[in-house]
Amino acid sequence: QKEVEQDPGPLSVPEGAIVSLNCTYSNSAFQYFMWYRQYSRKGPELLMYTYSSGNKEDGRFTAQVDKSSKYISLFIRDSQPSDSATYLCAMSGGSNYKLTFGKGTLLTVNP
Amino acid sequence: DTEVTQTPKHLVMGMTNKKSLKCEQHMGHRAMYWYKQKAKKPPELMFVYSYEKLSINESVPSRFSPECPNSSLLNLHLHALQPEDSALYLCASSQAGTGAETQYFGPGTRLLVL
Repeated sequence: QKEVEQDPGPLSVPEGAIVSLNCTYSNSAFQYFMWYRQYSRKGPELLMYTYSSGNKEDGRFTAQVDKSSKYISLFIRDSQPSDSATYLCAMSGGSNYKLTFGKGTLLTVNP
Repeated sequence: DTEVTQTPKHLVMGMTNKKSLKCEQHMGHRAMYWYKQKAKKPPELMFVYSYEKLSINESVPSRFSPECPNSSLLNLHLHALQPEDSALYLCASSQAGTGAETQYFGPGTRLLVL
């Protein structure tokens, strides 16, 4: 079993849809959870960062962490064509400098 | 300002060439990273510098040689690369010692080895 599992998609939705992206993980030591957005041929951009369980909202984006289920989610409301990108979940246990990434989900929002 | 800059944006080199990739950040971060990313794959960690000292080398071949001249700069020296080394090379930085590991990435250098 991989440490972090992420459905690679691809996921295609119409403009305005609510998008749900998810990762599951197996390492109980993970405490820090991040979502990165990566446009084609660009570097990953930090979207959301959450410590331990709970929700965090930033504009149209909501990150949720459920440590009891080892499950994290990113919700995008009112999705826009500019949201079309690959979304990577990443997490760490805080004891070293290593991030463990999911494989990434390719999202396309169609106008 | 959460900006990490990288130069050059693109690089084409032959297998006998020597070249260097450069990375700079002015966020006061004391940890800096090199990653390699192949198409449709997540970034793969190569090196970590913490307080200008190499703290992690992920068994990277010696044809890749990192250097951290000061707390803001990170270089990756390339020599005798192979075509399979063609990839997007990403630099990242983070605050060191917090355990938070929130890393900020640069735009990358797209490397093609002929």
